[in-house]
Amino acid sequence: EVQLVESGGGLVKPGGSLRLSCAASGFTFSNYAMSWVRRTPGKGLEWLSCVIGDGRDTYYADAVKGRFTISRDNSKNTLFLQLNSLRAEDSGLYYCAKGYSVSAQHWFDPWGPGTLVTVSS
Amino acid sequence: EIVLTQSPATLSLSPGERATLSCRASQSVDTYLLWYQQKPGQSPRLLIYDTSKRATGIPARFSGSGSGTDFTLTISSLEPEDFAVYYCQQRVKSLTFGGGTKVET
Repeated sequence: EVQLVESGGGLVKPGGSLRLSCAASGFTFSNYAMSWVRRTPGKGLEWLSCVIGDGRDTYYADAVKGRFTISRDNSKNTLFLQLNSLRAEDSGLYYCAKGYSVSAQHWFDPWGPGTLVTVSS
Repeated sequence: EIVLTQSPATLSLSPGERATLSCRASQSVDTYLLWYQQKPGQSPRLLIYDTSKRATGIPARFSGSGSGTDFTLTISSLEPEDFAVYYCQQRVKSLTFGGGTKVET
């Protein structure tokens, strides 16, 4: 059974940083692109970033380009998202999700339970 | 950015009734439109991909149709476990979601 479990969320001040992790099991991690998606009160569901299977190519939504960095460690079956220069509007539930193939996200299936990020002074 | 607009925002129905949910795209997404279900306290679950293909394990009462800019998710006869929020997503240009339709009893 495919399982994804996020961690690393928490309360952080505006301008601060967090590093989210997503532990994957039940599938050959390096064979799939992986993404981060968030749900916020202001924008609902929003795709943030994707990394292909070997980690060489990454993609970002304009809203987070330059502030967030996605990466993966295939030896540890773990996906990461480094969040910098956080703003109040970044508060929300952050999900990791498995992609369609090694080089394409296309859709999100399945999703982890999410980790909550709160940006507040 | 391709904007997806879902309607209605809320659909009030009873078990056994037919549910028809709409998703309209700001420009053509061909048939690259997907649907997810999210129940309270749970993560979204993929229901339908590429307009009309059911994901693994999804019951036949869920069906999708449409092309271009107008799409429909139909639940033929609502079961108690179907009351949830439904989101559409397009994959033709980046990946964007609609705002959701809540199906409530």
